[in-house]
Amino acid sequence: NAGVTQTPKFQVLKTGQSMTLQCAQDMNHNSMYWYRQDPGMGLRLIYYSASEGTTDKGEVPNGYNVSRLNKREFSLRLESAAPSQTSVYFCASSDAWTGEQPQHFGDGTRLSIL
Amino acid sequence: GDSVTQMEGPVTLSEEAFLTINCTYTATGYPSLFWYVQYPGEGLQLLLKATKADDKGSNKGFEATYRKETTSFHLEKGSVQVSDSAVYFCALISGGSNYKLTFGKGTLLTVNP
Repeated sequence: NAGVTQTPKFQVLKTGQSMTLQCAQDMNHNSMYWYRQDPGMGLRLIYYSASEGTTDKGEVPNGYNVSRLNKREFSLRLESAAPSQTSVYFCASSDAWTGEQPQHFGDGTRLSIL
Repeated sequence: GDSVTQMEGPVTLSEEAFLTINCTYTATGYPSLFWYVQYPGEGLQLLLKATKADDKGSNKGFEATYRKETTSFHLEKGSVQVSDSAVYFCALISGGSNYKLTFGKGTLLTVNP
């Protein structure tokens, strides 16, 4: 059972470089999410996609863009990486846009920007 | 807006000790409440959930009861094991936040043999 798969697991970038974090889920979930996790801050929502074809900003969207490529895949793009974007990034998915369904998380992408 | 406050860590216990991690919340309407666990180097896993007042969520010996009158969802376990060492996150979803998860900052638990 793959669940939510994130690639890459680790990445080091230089300031100003761009990259795309990939996320795919095999649970036929409608909703997908991108979070960042920083020490002492918990998880903060960057962007989410309630259903295929829609995306919306979360709490900390600046400096990021997303694409819901199809129902399975939701990518996060850093156009011009900054040291403040050094973080662990988690993708998650859930079955429906309701209050009761838990979110399923990937193992994270550890991103360092020098 | 919605918010979750959980006790500051780190929490260090001996094996077989009793665990309580406090969690209180502020939310619009009637939120669903969750506890997630994150083991070192891994993503978050759902530990338990409760979707209405007085519900008790339970899993792997952990329990939490949805207390609407005190807006709390404290996590408890009667006898912790070394393998319970992890970071625990309290979280909620409410209609007031358009069904987005709001997390507490996490509590690091270390259990010593």
